[in-house]
Amino acid sequence: KAGVTQTPRYLIKTRGQQVTLSCSPISGHRSVSWYQQTPGQGLQFLFEYFSETQRNKGNFPGRFSGRQFSNSRSEMNVSTLELGDSALYLCASSLSGALQETQYFGPGTRLLVL
Amino acid sequence: QQQVKQSPQSLIVQKGGISIINCAYENTAFDYFPWYQQFPGKGPALLIAIRPDVSEKKEGRFTISFNKSAKQFSLHIMDSQPGDSATYFCAASTGGGNKLTFGTGTQLKVEL
Repeated sequence: KAGVTQTPRYLIKTRGQQVTLSCSPISGHRSVSWYQQTPGQGLQFLFEYFSETQRNKGNFPGRFSGRQFSNSRSEMNVSTLELGDSALYLCASSLSGALQETQYFGPGTRLLVL
Repeated sequence: QQQVKQSPQSLIVQKGGISIINCAYENTAFDYFPWYQQFPGKGPALLIAIRPDVSEKKEGRFTISFNKSAKQFSLHIMDSQPGDSATYFCAASTGGGNKLTFGTGTQLKVEL
């Protein structure tokens, strides 16, 4: 079974631009979560989608948004990029998002904002 | 507000030794505590997890010890191997859904 895939793997943008990252969960998984990983702040939860609905949201500004499609694939968008948005963005999927259900992480998209 | 504190930040252990990583949490509503292992260039992978109604869980060389009254839990890696060299994150979550609160990570190096 294929794992979680994320595209693109690397991305360079300039301040003020917007970016869209894509995540394809493991086949059959309906919950997709997004995390931001930086050396300073560590791993921080962005949001979770289940059945095309946002179910949980972290403490990030409204510039960060996401969506999920009927095939469970998910995208996250960051508008008006800031230098501090440079990070590894990780996507994780699980069957239904129930407690104690294993989340499987993708390799991440490394975003560099210049 | 950091809700899960992890220590040490880095750790060097000799091959065959015991690696111990500690975490403390503040939110008493947390009811699921997983540990993740991350290698460079990879996403985190679940290593082992525990619920607060259990004081210890062992899977192979990895053991979680949980102290509910102290709001602390720790990961012990027995017979540490060079292949265990990675960054380890403790995490916690509450209720349904997949919102994990992570510790700051421990970079483990196992030397020959």
